[in-house]
This record gives sequence, structure tokens and C-alpha cells, in this order.
Amino acid sequence: DAGVTQSPTHLIKTRGQHVTLRCSPISGHKSVSWYQQVLGQGPQFIFQYYEKEERGRGNFPDRFSARQFPNYSSELNVNALLLGDSALYLCASSLAGFPTNEKLFFGSGTQLSVL
Amino acid sequence: AQSVTQLGSHVSVSEGALVLLRCNYSSSVPPYLFWYVQYPNQGLQLLLKYTSAATLVKGINGFEAEFKKSETSFHLTKPSAHMSDAAEYFCAVSDGNTDKLIFGTGTRLQVFP
Repeated sequence: DAGVTQSPTHLIKTRGQHVTLRCSPISGHKSVSWYQQVLGQGPQFIFQYYEKEERGRGNFPDRFSARQFPNYSSELNVNALLLGDSALYLCASSLAGFPTNEKLFFGSGTQLSVL
Repeated sequence: AQSVTQLGSHVSVSEGALVLLRCNYSSSVPPYLFWYVQYPNQGLQLLLKYTSAATLVKGINGFEAEFKKSETSFHLTKPSAHMSDAAEYFCAVSDGNTDKLIFGTGTRLQVFP
């Protein structure tokens, strides 16, 4: 079975541009979460979606938005890119989105570089 | 607010030596604690988790961690390091009422032959 897939794997943008990152969860998983991992730091929670509704939001500006589609895939959008948005963006999926009760599966991430 | 602190951003051990990676938590409610491993150019993989069932938790690849409430610690250990254990290790916490994980800053483990 395919794991969590993310596209693209690498992306280079310039300041002020917009970016869309995509994630396909494991088949049957209904929850998708997004994390930002800046070099040298641990991942930080951005969003969680379950059954196409936002379940949680981290401390990120409104430039960050996301959505989940009927097939449970998800997009993360970032507007007006800043240099500080350069990071590895990780997507994780699970059946129902409770990491205390079930396992989160992470994708390999999208490495975003903002120049 | 919940948080975890990982002491030591880099740990180096010889192959066959004991691995000890430290994690202390700060939580006003009983925490749920996790250890994840990240190999180069890969996502995170769950090693083990503590959800109050038992204080000594055994995980994959021979790793285990002990929850010590008196010390607010959840250190990760492995009796004998293998070259394949070289990776970045993250401790994380959740209060169980939300769905997000709060990660520490990570510890990079190097294993020398």
C-alpha cells in the first residue's frame, strides 16, 4: 500500500509569491495534518483537517490556509511568501486524527526554499 | 501550555554502546508522550508512545522509554547502538484533548564504528 505522498518534493519560490503544497493520505485515512519544520527545529503544527472540516489550527498567520477534498487529499496554501517560510512541510495522516489513540503516518515532506 | 525539552542537540556513541536521549516535559495535565525518529530525507516514524497504560514503554528497533512523573522525564534508551540508529530523534507531547503534537527541538544521534 502507498504511504502518505506529498508533492512536489522540492520547490523554490521568491518573496511575495504564492505556493500550494499537496498531500495524499494513506487509503482509508480521513485525517490530514500539516507541520512546518524549520532547519534545526522540531515540527510545528499548522493545521488538521478531518472529514473536510478544520479540526485544529496552530499559531500561524492568516497567510497560511488549507483545505481537504472529498477524496481526503489536502492542500496547504501560503500567500505572500517570506524568507522565514523556508522549511520542510510535512503532511501526516491517520484514521481519525487522535495521535494518542492511533498512529500518525508522515510523508517525506516538501522542501520549500524562499529566495 | 505544554512543552517538551530535549537536552543535547547532538549525541555521539560508539556502536554497541548504550544510547540515552533525554526528554523532559512540562504539562499541567497528564501528558501523552511520544518519540519519533527521522532519517535523512524522510518523514517522521513513531518509535513509541506513552498513554498511561505502563510507565516502561517498549518501541520498535529495540528502543524503550520510561515515564517518570517525579522527574517529569521520558528518556529514550537502547542498550546497544547500531550504525543504522543514526538519525534525528524527536520527543513530542499531546494533552489528549487536542489532535496536535508539540515537538521538541530534536537530538541528532551519531553512531561511530
